[in-house]
Amino acid sequence: AQKITQTQPGMFVQEKEAVTLDCTYDTSDQSYGLFWYKQPSSGEMIFLIYQGSYDEQNATEGRYSLNFQKARKSANLVISASQLGDSAMYFCAMREGPGIKAAGNKLTFGGGTRVLVKP
Amino acid sequence: NAGVTQTPKFRILKIGQSMTLQCAQDMNHNYMYWYRQDPGMGLKLIYYSVGAGITDKGEVPNGYNVSRSTTEDFPLRLELAAPSQTSVYFCASGYRETQYFGPGTRLLVL
Repeated sequence: AQKITQTQPGMFVQEKEAVTLDCTYDTSDQSYGLFWYKQPSSGEMIFLIYQGSYDEQNATEGRYSLNFQKARKSANLVISASQLGDSAMYFCAMREGPGIKAAGNKLTFGGGTRVLVKP
Repeated sequence: NAGVTQTPKFRILKIGQSMTLQCAQDMNHNYMYWYRQDPGMGLKLIYYSVGAGITDKGEVPNGYNVSRSTTEDFPLRLELAAPSQTSVYFCASGYRETQYFGPGTRLLVL
């Protein structure tokens, strides 16, 4: 079974609108971390946001928020007020295990969602 | 502060050739990683290191070797290049929960 599933291969969003990118995960660990990365056409990987499995509140970083639904094993990324510069590939990733020292913070990535922001 | 640097940016190899992909970080991070990204796919972990002298296999280690003699450097060695190793290779270093990625090395094996 896939550990990280991103079901939307690509999507369009109108500038200034919000967009939700889906991510579901599969793990039997009680302690894990969920991440979102952005990959623009230039190719670099840019860290956006992190959610720990024991964090009670959804993570937010500026225009990015993570809608964490633990029972459903979903960690959707919400981008508010989309900008043209948000056009990129977005990857969801998971670290299994109780943290850096135990697990080395190894990440498993999903297949990505391509977002194109229309002016 | 350059962050994570990778060399070369692009390389073409013939089948059976060997090469080393260089990775260096100047952030004094203990954790370093090598990933590969095949076209249209997510990243897969090749090897990782939790400190100088300590390395371990990731999800797809076959055909690769690593060493970590210093905190700063984490080279990835391909001994006998195969077409299946055509990919973009990313090095990353980690601090707490965040991994910082280098710009990538695009490798083509013909």
